[in-house]
Amino acid sequence: DTGVSQDPRHKITKRGQNVTFRCDPISEHNRLYWYRQTLGQGPEFLTYFQNEAQLEKSRLLSDRFSAERPKGSFSTLEIQRTEQGDSAMYLCASRHPNTGELFFGEGSRLTVL
Amino acid sequence: KNQVEQSPQSLIILEGKNCTLQCNYTVSPFSNLRWYKQDTGRGPVSLTIMTFSENTKSNGRYTATLDADTKQSSLHITASQLSDSASYICVVMKNNDMRFGAGTRLTVKP
Repeated sequence: DTGVSQDPRHKITKRGQNVTFRCDPISEHNRLYWYRQTLGQGPEFLTYFQNEAQLEKSRLLSDRFSAERPKGSFSTLEIQRTEQGDSAMYLCASRHPNTGELFFGEGSRLTVL
Repeated sequence: KNQVEQSPQSLIILEGKNCTLQCNYTVSPFSNLRWYKQDTGRGPVSLTIMTFSENTKSNGRYTATLDADTKQSSLHITASQLSDSASYICVVMKNNDMRFGAGTRLTVKP
């Protein structure tokens, strides 16, 4: 499978715990995006990378959210001290360098109890 | 206020019927407009991409139209199937910034 893959697909955690999501983009796509999506809403932009450089992070929801893409390949999104309001689907997408088309992963659904 | 507004919020139709979903936007200027289909619990999948100079684009039973003067786009689904039940999201791209609509939730009933 050469699409965007995300892991885990589902995560249930207790409030206050840290969680980390991983995204493996399509290999030739140098841009990688993270979005959050709540029920009945469109994806909400969080941050994006051009190779290993994080070019926009002001839309990260709080300082509890951080993302990395250390080698310009896979990326991780970490949420520290989770709150119930963090419960959502976290989507990763990579962008085709020529067409600009976004390819989304299946998402990681987070439930904070 | 969201710069991409979709209507209706939800829609129920019978299998075999046609339907049209609307997207109004205020993003200007824009690079392109995209329609995505998102099945429940899955990631969005691209249906069509249109630049500002294109008026219509088809992908099987899906036809998207764009009126850049009125800043409106529509997605027409012909001869709906049960598998068309999903959320349809309109995305307007301005430079490197993508603005997402909230989506229209379509349910196709037998």
